[in-house]
Amino acid sequence: EIVMTQSPATLSVSPGERATLSCRASQSVSSNLAWYQLKPGQAPRLLIYGASTRATGIPARFSGSGSGTEFTLTISSLQSEDFALYYCQQYNNWPPMYTFGQGTKLEIK
Amino acid sequence: QLQLQESGPGLVKPSETLSLTCTVSGGSISSSSYFWDWIRQPPGKGLEWIGRVYYSGSTYYNPSLKSRVTISLDTSKNQFSLTLSFVTAADTAVYYCARGAAAGTAGWLDPWGQGTLVTVSS
Repeated sequence: EIVMTQSPATLSVSPGERATLSCRASQSVSSNLAWYQLKPGQAPRLLIYGASTRATGIPARFSGSGSGTEFTLTISSLQSEDFALYYCQQYNNWPPMYTFGQGTKLEIK
Repeated sequence: QLQLQESGPGLVKPSETLSLTCTVSGGSISSSSYFWDWIRQPPGKGLEWIGRVYYSGSTYYNPSLKSRVTISLDTSKNQFSLTLSFVTAADTAVYYCARGAAAGTAGWLDPWGQGTLVTVSS
């Protein structure tokens, strides 16, 4: 099983500042990585797939980078609605055995 | 716009079977372009992929749950379902359904349902 490790567990950032979230895979997943945003009571939202492609309707302030085992989600200028939980997911296996990181909580500083 | 909605009992007794349904609106589950997935999140923990079903009925499961899980389609109702047998307190979680792309190595999930909390308790 590919283990995904996210850091930090909690990130405190002020509105308007940049946030950088990290995700590491225990073995290479190429660019087969997605990022999701979760808020209580809401459907999780796909932000990024293919490590760096923004999903439909996702603002340009969200960007993803990386390949292999090291990935980053950057939010360039935090808005109030961006404070949430963020998860990375690898989908490099076939037959599928998808795994998620443990999440990063992005909170207001 | 495709929407997914989970439904089912919020409370299940230990050793019994958990059964959930995901109703899809705004699109057909009979499309060859997509898989239909289940994911869960225990309280205070991360997300766990449970498994998926293709329009043909082919299924793929998380090996850790495979002996207890069944995912199936009901194309007449545009729904897909999850059953998890012999549940314990460790199966208490918010259960989500989602659509997965079926092109090449695509495995991202979009969109998702809002999730439904299932508690295992006597």
